[in-house]
This record gives sequence, structure tokens and C-alpha cells, in this order.
Amino acid sequence: DIQMTQSPSSLSASLGDRVTITCRASQTISNYLNWYQQEPGKAPKLLIYAASTLQNGVPSRFSGSGSGTDFTLTISSLHPEDFATYYCQQSYRTPQTFGQGTKVE
Amino acid sequence: QVQLQESGPGLVKPSETLSLTCTVSGDSVSGRSFYWSWIRQSPGKGLEWIGHIYYSGDADYNPSLKSRVMMSVDTSRNQFSLTLSFVTAADTADYYCARAVQMGNWFDPWGQGTLVIVSS
Repeated sequence: DIQMTQSPSSLSASLGDRVTITCRASQTISNYLNWYQQEPGKAPKLLIYAASTLQNGVPSRFSGSGSGTDFTLTISSLHPEDFATYYCQQSYRTPQTFGQGTKVE
Repeated sequence: QVQLQESGPGLVKPSETLSLTCTVSGDSVSGRSFYWSWIRQSPGKGLEWIGHIYYSGDADYNPSLKSRVMMSVDTSRNQFSLTLSFVTAADTADYYCARAVQMGNWFDPWGQGTLVIVSS
């Protein structure tokens, strides 16, 4: 299986901060990398697919970049509703696998 | 607006079979562009892809669960289902159904999830 490693596992941030989360794959996955946001008690919500394409309705303060093995999710200016846990997921090869999550608090 | 809703027992005894159904509204499970997926989340193992099924009935499962998993699709009811046999406490998790784009395999949308506890 392809292992997905996120860093950091958690981070402390304030409103208006620029936040960067990193995801590394154990082997190359081209741009088959997706990002999700999960609020407590809710299902994950797709933010970005194919490494850098913003899902419809997702605010433009979210952006994704990377290719190969290293990827980044950036929130340009943290809003109150952005305090949540973020997951990356590789869809290059079955079984699809997720990172362990990054909690923004 | 596409919506998915999981249903099924919230408590299953060890060694028995877990059965869940996902009802889809706003889209058809007969569509050729999507896979219909199951994903679970437990504190110990994080998010784990269980498998997916295509409208034709073709399915692909996570090798770690393959010997115990079966999925089916009911186009007449616009539903798809999951069965997981011989469950143990390690199968206790929130179970989500989700739609996956065939060309890319990202999951959107997700159902709200249902907690299944394995306990006697």
C-alpha cells in the first residue's frame, strides 16, 4: 500500500494566519492527491482534487500544490470555520489511502 | 444536490455480520461516471477505504478486508450495500458511504456516517 504521511499532526494558529500542511507519499503518485476537511462529528468534505483543483464552492483561500511525492495544502488567511482536521488521500493506486490527519486548533 | 444516507444496525455482536445500506438521492447509481464507495474511520486506524462498486456490479475491495467484504448495488432502489462478516471489536468505527469520480477517485459527496459498535 502507498503510505501517506502528513505533517504536522496538529498545529496551533490564530485567525488571519497563513497555514501550510504537508503530505508526503511513500512512492510517486503523480497528481492523484486529494484534500478533505473534517469538522468534529461530521463527514469529511472534499476541498481539493488532483492536487490543485479547488472543488466547487470551496473558498479561494484554500489552495493545493505539488506533484510526485510531496504536496501542500495552504490556507492563506485562517477563518473561524477553518478550525478542523485536514486529510490527504492518494487515488493513484488501489487501495486508496489517507494521511493520518492534521488538526488545526 | 446529491445526497447519500447510510442505514443499518448500530450494534453488532462479535463473529456476526455487519450490514449497511446507502441510499442515494439526486443521482443514479446506474451512472457510468462514478464508483460507489465505503470508507470507515476509527480512532486507531484513521480513515480506511473499504472498497467500491460500479453500477454493473463489478467491485474492488481493500485487500486487508477482501476475505470478509461484499458489496452490492440495487439500481431499482438507487441503493448500494456493504456486508462485513466475522466482525471483531477492531471493526468498530464510523462507516461512511461516498461517491467517487471514476476518473480520479476522489470522494464527493459523503454520507453523514453511521457508528457501528461491535460488542456482545
